[in-house]
Amino acid sequence: EVQLVQSGAEVKKPGESLKISCKGSGYSFTSYWIGWVRQMPGKGLEWMGIIYPGDSDTRYSPSFQGQVTISADKSISTAYLQWSSLKASDTAMYYCARVSGYAIDAFDIWGQGTMVTVSS
Amino acid sequence: QSALTQPASVSGSPGQSITISCTGTSSDVGGYNYVSWYQQHPGKAPKLMIYDVSNRPSGVSNRFSGSKSGNTASLTISGLQAEDEADYYCSSYTSSSSWVFGGGTKLTVL
Repeated sequence: EVQLVQSGAEVKKPGESLKISCKGSGYSFTSYWIGWVRQMPGKGLEWMGIIYPGDSDTRYSPSFQGQVTISADKSISTAYLQWSSLKASDTAMYYCARVSGYAIDAFDIWGQGTMVTVSS
Repeated sequence: QSALTQPASVSGSPGQSITISCTGTSSDVGGYNYVSWYQQHPGKAPKLMIYDVSNRPSGVSNRFSGSKSGNTASLTISGLQAEDEADYYCSSYTSSSSWVFGGGTKLTVL
C-alpha cells in the first residue's frame, strides 16, 4: 500500500526548535516530489514548499522561505519539515503530500497530518 | 503568490448540482491546465478529486467534474449526496514552479 505516515503531535514553547517527519512506503520514494501544506486552525490549505528526495531539489513558497527548512533522507524514505525558532503563529496542522507520477498538479497521497501547538 | 479566490460557501439539496468557482490569474489558473481539486472532511486529510482541470483519479465518482475558462476553474458536483458535505479546495501549478491553493469552499447539503 502506498502511504505517507507522519510523526505525532507536538507541543512546544515559543523559541524552541522542531523537526517533524513524513515517511513514505509502498513506492519509490526518490522518484516523487513531496510537498508540505499548512492548515491553521479553522483555516484553509497553504502550500509551503516541496522537495524531490532523489536529488534534494527544494522549492519554497515566498511566504515560507526562510521560516522553515525542508529536507529529506532518502536512505530511510523520510521527508522533514523543521523550524529553528517556533512562534505561536506556527500552531497548525501540517500535512505532507506526494505529487503524483501522472500529473504535476495532483497531490495524490497525503499523510495523516501532524498537529503542532506552540504555546507558552 | 496570492491564494486563488473561491466562494466561502455553497449549498444545495440532495440530488441537485452545484458548482464551485476558483479564480486566479494568467500566472496560474489561466496559464496552465494544471488545476486540481481536493475534498476535505472535518478532521481528515484532503483527498484528490480532480486533476489537470477535468481528470478524475481512479475511484472518484463521476458525479464530480471539472472545467476551466480563462482564469477561472470550476468544480461541479451533480446528484448531490449527504456525504459530499465537506470543504473543497482548488489548487494550481504556477509560473514560479510552485503551487497555490484556493481559500476553500464549505459545501452544505441541505
